[in-house]
Amino acid sequence: KNQVEQSPQSLIILEGKNCTLQCNYTVSPFSNLRWYKQDTGRGPVSLTIMTFSENTKSNGRYTATLDADTKQSSLHITASQLSDSASYICVVSASNYQLIWGAGTKLIIKP
Amino acid sequence: NAGVTQTPKFQVLKTGQSMTLQCAQDMNHNSMYWYRQDPGMGLRLIYYSASEGTTDKGEVPNGYNVSRLNKREFSLRLESAAPSQTSVYFCATKRTGSTDTQYFGPGTRLTVL
Repeated sequence: KNQVEQSPQSLIILEGKNCTLQCNYTVSPFSNLRWYKQDTGRGPVSLTIMTFSENTKSNGRYTATLDADTKQSSLHITASQLSDSASYICVVSASNYQLIWGAGTKLIIKP
Repeated sequence: NAGVTQTPKFQVLKTGQSMTLQCAQDMNHNSMYWYRQDPGMGLRLIYYSASEGTTDKGEVPNGYNVSRLNKREFSLRLESAAPSQTSVYFCATKRTGSTDTQYFGPGTRLTVL
């Protein structure tokens, strides 16, 4: 069964610190993996997308990695800011266009 | 450009009542989607429309109907609301390719009593 699991479920860190969010998937055949940021009360917004051949992709202070062999991805946030408080969702696209959504990691940045 | 808009933002219904959620986009995208988001779960696809004039069931279509009125508008109808349909509903749009980004509306928070 195609699944996407994210960890941790929630995370609290101090402003200025770094953090890493994890995404494990069992989706086949794999097409691409995307990370979304969802602010409270808003719709998700795409941060990065990675295809099978890409290992790393950055978007400002966000860096996503993909290990297609172990079917794992991570999202690293550098020098966190209060505005980074949000849910981060991992989404894997199968080759048949089906999207499998993770439940998300809720990140809280404290001053 | 407004992007993707949804109305209403909030709605409370009684069991058995009906309502239509509206979604409109000005991005000239071909594909449109309806999702529901429940606590502790990933987004689940209700229905989608790959292009004007076509609609297809997603993962959880039971209890819902959709209409792709034109390229801009995609509505979701609950004919007889049930408490299990209490959720946040998101509309999204995309051009067509598998790597194209989905753009989401702000959501409709629906409570069914």
